[in-house]
Amino acid sequence: DTAVSQTPKYLVTQMGNDKSIKCEQNLGHDTMYWYKQDSKKFLKIMFSYNNKELIINETVPNRFSPKSPDKAHLNLHINSLELGDSAVYFCASSRGLGTQYFGPGTRLLVL
Amino acid sequence: TQLLEQSPQFLSIQEGENLTVYCNSSSVFSSLQWYRQEPGEGPVLLVTVVTGGEVKKLKRLTFQFGDARKDSSLHITAAQPGDTGLYLCAGAGGSGNTGKLIFGQGTTLQVKP
Repeated sequence: DTAVSQTPKYLVTQMGNDKSIKCEQNLGHDTMYWYKQDSKKFLKIMFSYNNKELIINETVPNRFSPKSPDKAHLNLHINSLELGDSAVYFCASSRGLGTQYFGPGTRLLVL
Repeated sequence: TQLLEQSPQFLSIQEGENLTVYCNSSSVFSSLQWYRQEPGEGPVLLVTVVTGGEVKKLKRLTFQFGDARKDSSLHITAAQPGDTGLYLCAGAGGSGNTGKLIFGQGTTLQVKP
């Protein structure tokens, strides 16, 4: 059983398109996160939700909108995709401020 | 702004050698974590150090948290090809204690047989 799962694993799309990445965790955690890992492997927090409430909202373009329909899901919608959005996006979850468990990542390539 | 400087960025060594990875900051963290990430996968937590001066061992890996809780090191003894991967340090406990992790730039380790 996968603890934190993301779909899709790979996403190739054209500039200007709108796309969504989905994340689900079956660990019973109450906090979920989105991270972006750039081509140099630098990992940076984007958002976090606790019990469906937005807790962390880093300096991210408002083209990125997270949505948490319930505690087990945190989706990321990206409007008007740009070349610079190409990266690996990781979802993670934790119980409160405890250990964060990461998903396998979604590799986004914007052409 | 809290930053973590991780060094070296790349390390290529022979099997059996020892190595140390450093993670330094001018900021104090309530805890510091070390992750290992394999290609195509997400980071996996290796250890969390919380107390200044703390030393933790995980088989051939030794982790140390600086006395002032601003820096940390990861030492691997007798490296094996299976240790190959990306090692990331991450500091926790920024303002508001929101669970935000500040990551270092990562160290890509290659251990050649």
